[in-house]
Amino acid sequence: EAGVTQFPSHSVIEKGQTVTLRCDPISGHDNLYWYRRVMGKEIKFLLHFVKESKQDESGMPNNRFLAERTGGTYSTLKVQPAELEDSGVYFCASSHSRTSGARGQETQYFGPGTRLLVL
Amino acid sequence: AQSVAQPEDQVNVAEGNPLTVKCTYSVSGNPYLFWYVQYPNRGLQFLLKYITGDNLVKGSYGFEAEFNKSQTSFHLKKPSALVSDSALYFCAVRDRDTGRRALTFGSGTRLQVQP
Repeated sequence: EAGVTQFPSHSVIEKGQTVTLRCDPISGHDNLYWYRRVMGKEIKFLLHFVKESKQDESGMPNNRFLAERTGGTYSTLKVQPAELEDSGVYFCASSHSRTSGARGQETQYFGPGTRLLVL
Repeated sequence: AQSVAQPEDQVNVAEGNPLTVKCTYSVSGNPYLFWYVQYPNRGLQFLLKYITGDNLVKGSYGFEAEFNKSQTSFHLKKPSALVSDSALYFCAVRDRDTGRRALTFGSGTRLQVQP
């Protein structure tokens, strides 16, 4: 079974430019999450999709960030325009929802991350 | 609000010695607790989780963690460290009494195992 994949692995852009990150979750996983780690600090939650719907976007820092998951498969995260403080590692994770018993205990499986550097 | 503290930026141990990576948490309800590991140039890899039941949880690569509710801790342990265990370790929590799935992570602890 293939894991979570992310593209690109690295991106270097100038301030003011646009970057789009892509995440392909594990096949069959209806939950998809975006997180980021900035400046070696803690990993912070950005948002959560259930299929194509945004379930929780409380972690999105501002309206320069736009996430989509059309068709409930892969997801994109666009940063437009990018600022210096957006530099960091962006992680995607996916999980399969439990249909019985205690929900929310499912494991989130992470991708390798996209390292974004804004100059 | 929920939070995780990993009080040590780095832990150094000699190969063959036991290791402990500390984690304390804060949630308003009951926790689900997770440990992830990040090897160089790799993504986060799931190690183990505490959901309910037995306070001692066993995971991958010989790691285990003990849930201590009174001390709100979930320290990661291994009886005998290997050089290949050198990596960045993250503790995470989510409150199982809310509907949110978002994990809250600590800042990470770098484990260095010397030969």
